[in-house]
Amino acid sequence: NAGVMQNPRHLVRRRGQEARLRCSPMKGHSHVYWYRQLPEEGLKFMVYLQKENIIDESGMPKERFSAEFPKEGPSILRIQQVVRGDSAAYFCASSPLELETQYFGPGTRLLVL
Amino acid sequence: KQEVTQIPAALSVPEGENLVLNCSFTDSAIYNLQWFRQDPGKGLTSLLLIQSSQREQTSGRLNASLDKSSGRSTLYIAASQPGDSATYLCAVSLADDKIIFGKGTRLHILP
Repeated sequence: NAGVMQNPRHLVRRRGQEARLRCSPMKGHSHVYWYRQLPEEGLKFMVYLQKENIIDESGMPKERFSAEFPKEGPSILRIQQVVRGDSAAYFCASSPLELETQYFGPGTRLLVL
Repeated sequence: KQEVTQIPAALSVPEGENLVLNCSFTDSAIYNLQWFRQDPGKGLTSLLLIQSSQREQTSGRLNASLDKSSGRSTLYIAASQPGDSATYLCAVSLADDKIIFGKGTRLHILP
């Protein structure tokens, strides 16, 4: 059973471009969480999704950020019109059930030039 | 290989008591250490972040210490409340941005 997979591992974008980060949860996991780690800061929760539903997006910036977890395929975190402050490591985690341990992916490191 | 261990796995204490949660890691070459709280149906909430050069951090009733040389961290919770009931996770960040989590301590505060 492969672990949580994220791609790309590294992503470079220029200001104003769009960034799309993908997360494939572990097999059998239907819950996905996205976190952001800014330089010199701790991991911060962004959004919690189940298949086709956003459960909790209290940590998502109000503008430019969106997330989805379709019935088929990976979860996508989308950042429109990126700015330099979006440069960070974005981690995805998955769990089989609501109360179960979250398993983390290796992260995507976004650099905005 | 870095391993993170949390003891105890579960803990029940009466309301009002002070308590300590323990975390140990096998490789002292860490970038930072974080303590998180996990509530049912929620993402992880970051409680305290200690950089590798620091010894402790405090936030309200929480105090976390770090002894990198011995590979230990503690989370001290003062005057516990029922709302503190949750699973507490310790995680270390490595130089390559990997984050290694412990299995957590399930805390139950008895009213």
